[in-house]
Amino acid sequence: GAVVSQHPSWVICKSGTSVKIECRSLDFQATTMFWYRQFPKQSLMLMATSNEGSKATYEQGVEKDKFLINHASLTLSTLTVTSAHPEDSSFYICSARRTESTDTQYFGPGTRLTVL
Amino acid sequence: LAKTTQPISMDSYEGQEVNITCSHNNIATNDYITWYQQFPSQGPRFIIQGYKTKVTNEVASLFIPADRKSSTLSLPRVSLSDTAVYYCLVRGSGTYKYIFGTGTRLKVLA
Repeated sequence: GAVVSQHPSWVICKSGTSVKIECRSLDFQATTMFWYRQFPKQSLMLMATSNEGSKATYEQGVEKDKFLINHASLTLSTLTVTSAHPEDSSFYICSARRTESTDTQYFGPGTRLTVL
Repeated sequence: LAKTTQPISMDSYEGQEVNITCSHNNIATNDYITWYQQFPSQGPRFIIQGYKTKVTNEVASLFIPADRKSSTLSLPRVSLSDTAVYYCLVRGSGTYKYIFGTGTRLKVLA
């Protein structure tokens, strides 16, 4: 199998607070993990690429100081949305690519973030 | 810059074959093309992946022409539970960046 979990599945927070989302590959090691954001009825947009033990690579327009990514182990990456605002409300989805694989990404179930 | 295009939506009846095409110019020459299925409020689920020609698994087939500027996902005999959004995923030429297609909303009717 290739199972990826995310926690929490949904979160509601007040504006100005920080929220941490965890992404875990449960039955395989993932050198690379990806973080995507999806707005209603839109496609997934890549936010950043996270490699174990090194700094994440952020896509253009994604603030690295606002979306902190840590990939501390081969099975865990975290995304922290700092000082969240209502416009950060979205569906955040992570994916993991097997260490030994060339290309296949396996996705987590997503985290629904609502900022009040 | 790589760009992908898919039909916005498609309707089909149960039992029919459905073909969804993704146009993708300027993609990496040595990377796979991958298709995913997504239900509302869920993460994308892997369907099939290919590099060129034809690939078939237990749920779908994938056709990729020699120029790799498009790919076609074929779902044989769809059922109501296949109603979902289908995405192609490619990587742009000369970049590590993965790009999702615009997505095709498939509605299967009884």
